[in-house]
Amino acid sequence: NAGVTQTPKFQVLKTGQSMTLQCAQDMNHEYMSWYRQDPGMGLRLIHYSVGAGITDQGEVPNGYNVSRSTTEDFPLRLLSAAPSQTSVYFCASSFGTGETGNEKLFFGSGTQLSVL
Amino acid sequence: QKEVEQDPGPLSVPEGAIVSLNCTYSNSAFQYFMWYRQYSRKGPELLMYTYSSGNKEDGRFTAQVDKSSKYISLFIRDSQPSDSATYLCAMREYSSASKIIFGSGTRLSIRP
Repeated sequence: NAGVTQTPKFQVLKTGQSMTLQCAQDMNHEYMSWYRQDPGMGLRLIHYSVGAGITDQGEVPNGYNVSRSTTEDFPLRLLSAAPSQTSVYFCASSFGTGETGNEKLFFGSGTQLSVL
Repeated sequence: QKEVEQDPGPLSVPEGAIVSLNCTYSNSAFQYFMWYRQYSRKGPELLMYTYSSGNKEDGRFTAQVDKSSKYISLFIRDSQPSDSATYLCAMREYSSASKIIFGSGTRLSIRP
């Protein structure tokens, strides 16, 4: 049981490049989400999903796309990277639905992204 | 103004001390309150959560919620060097289970 797995751990991009951050969980969780963590800002919700085929925006969705074709996977796409997207990105999942049970989030170990 | 405010620290205390970590918030609709612990270069992990007001105890950890003051606290008794980490408070509205709002975290260091 690996929990939440994020790849890659580190990535350097040039402005304007695109890339996908991968997230997979093996706990059969319906709820998955992406956060970014910046110094002094805490964790801010980018996008979330309450099940396969269902996604919604969080606090800071601009510049990011997500899709959820399976229960296990929730990739985050940066369409045209900007220096403002330099951050540490965390994927999280929980057994909750959109209504309840999301208090216990299981986090991956993060992806450190630098955009030059 | 942020919805959730948390003193970033760093906070340094000697081993064995009682630690008090706090958050204030502005949204009176928040009903679920959580504390996460994050070690360096790791993802956060849930320590405790409470619903509405009151206290909850789990071993050396006690979580307190005062909704009238919009203030939550985490107390750590008999602090250990292994408690050195960043502590993040988090909260959500009753009707908005999918949107959990985090504080910026307090960095805690326990000196042996």
